[in-house]
Amino acid sequence: DGGITQSPKYLFRKEGQNVTLSCEQNLNHDAMYWYRQDPGQGLRLIYYSQIVNDFQKGDIAEGYSVSREKKESFPLTVTSAQKNPTAFYLCASSTDTDTQYFGPGTRLTVL
Amino acid sequence: QQQVKQSPQSLIVQKGGISIINCAYENTAFDYFPWYQQFPGKGPALLIAIRPDVSEKKEGRFTISFNKSAKQFSLHIMDSQPGDSATYFCAASSLDSWGKFQFGAGTQVVVTP
Repeated sequence: DGGITQSPKYLFRKEGQNVTLSCEQNLNHDAMYWYRQDPGQGLRLIYYSQIVNDFQKGDIAEGYSVSREKKESFPLTVTSAQKNPTAFYLCASSTDTDTQYFGPGTRLTVL
Repeated sequence: QQQVKQSPQSLIVQKGGISIINCAYENTAFDYFPWYQQFPGKGPALLIAIRPDVSEKKEGRFTISFNKSAKQFSLHIMDSQPGDSATYFCAASSLDSWGKFQFGAGTQVVVTP
């Protein structure tokens, strides 16, 4: 089946800890995106990548880092510098400038 | 600064009724306007999308109306069903932004039996 997978579904982080969220797609899409979703708010763009080995900051990149070593993978690291990381994180991919397809999300909670 | 403003924040409609959600934008460079449907704990799924060269697009019970001069677009859900209860997001993007969507804040729709 083609699609986007995110893991884990739930993640708990202690104060001062870095955690990495996985995003994999087998849709052969060039572009991939990371969004953060908070209750009552729309999706806010963290980072995006249009091509392998290249990525750009989105609107709320501070405290996050990414890599794009393979076309299929776009992991997101939430660093200890992110002061309020509790949120629902969504990964998306697209083949062009139009439709983005989303993964099932990872819910991150800070303990 | 939110580039796409969505209203209402929440909506309750009876089964069989019409749900209407509105979005307004400022950037005239936007040329792609999708609507996404999201169920609790799930990722958003594309519902329907429109480009500015048409004023209306219909897919089943879902219709987008687009008013370019007013810089507004809306989603109409006809014959609303309990299974339509979800959060709906509008979005906008432009060709030169390479897929960077601006999302509305979302509308939680509840369809009562």
